[in-house]
Amino acid sequence: NAGVMQNPRHLVRRRGQEARLRCSPMKGHSHVYWYRQLPEEGLKFMVYLQKENIIDESGMPKERFSAEFPKEGPSILRIQQVVRGDSAAYFCASSPDRAQPQHFGDGTRLSIL
Amino acid sequence: KNEVEQSPQNLTAQEGEFITINCSYSVGISALHWLQQHPGGGIVSLFMLSSGKKKHGRLIATINIQEKHSSLHITASHPRDSAVYICAAPPGGGADGLTFGKGTHLIIQP
Repeated sequence: NAGVMQNPRHLVRRRGQEARLRCSPMKGHSHVYWYRQLPEEGLKFMVYLQKENIIDESGMPKERFSAEFPKEGPSILRIQQVVRGDSAAYFCASSPDRAQPQHFGDGTRLSIL
Repeated sequence: KNEVEQSPQNLTAQEGEFITINCSYSVGISALHWLQQHPGGGIVSLFMLSSGKKKHGRLIATINIQEKHSSLHITASHPRDSAVYICAAPPGGGADGLTFGKGTHLIIQP
């Protein structure tokens, strides 16, 4: 029973490029959360999705960031026109429903050159 | 919005010592999470608890809902317990996701 799978583990992009981060939730989990951990800072909530729906994106920057969780396939966090300040670890978590514990992936470390 | 505070920020102890990490929050919650993160590593969910006490191996988590306080204890600590321990709670006000403490950096020396 595989856990939450995130890929890639490490991603390097130049300023202005696009970054796509993928998250496959645990089997049977339809709730996905994305969190960001900036260097030397704590984790911060970004967005909460259920299959095909964004439920809460209050933690997402207003521009350049988007997230989706299609009917088939992984959840995607997309960052357009990346800047140095986007360098961080991005973690995905999944749960079977809101009341259950969230299971975290190993994260994607994004570095912007 | 829930404010989650952890103490201590840093803790160094000798192998075998009993460890306590504290967490307090400002808004009443349904459940609180304790997480573990190794340097450069992923996040492991240790406990989610809404009342009383939970135990898993050498780890014990307690919560006092009335006092809005939780503790994580490690008995017979070992160098492999060295990690960052993070307390997290729902943000309150019907918002989603989790609000995290800044974490406690624990080092267990042999």
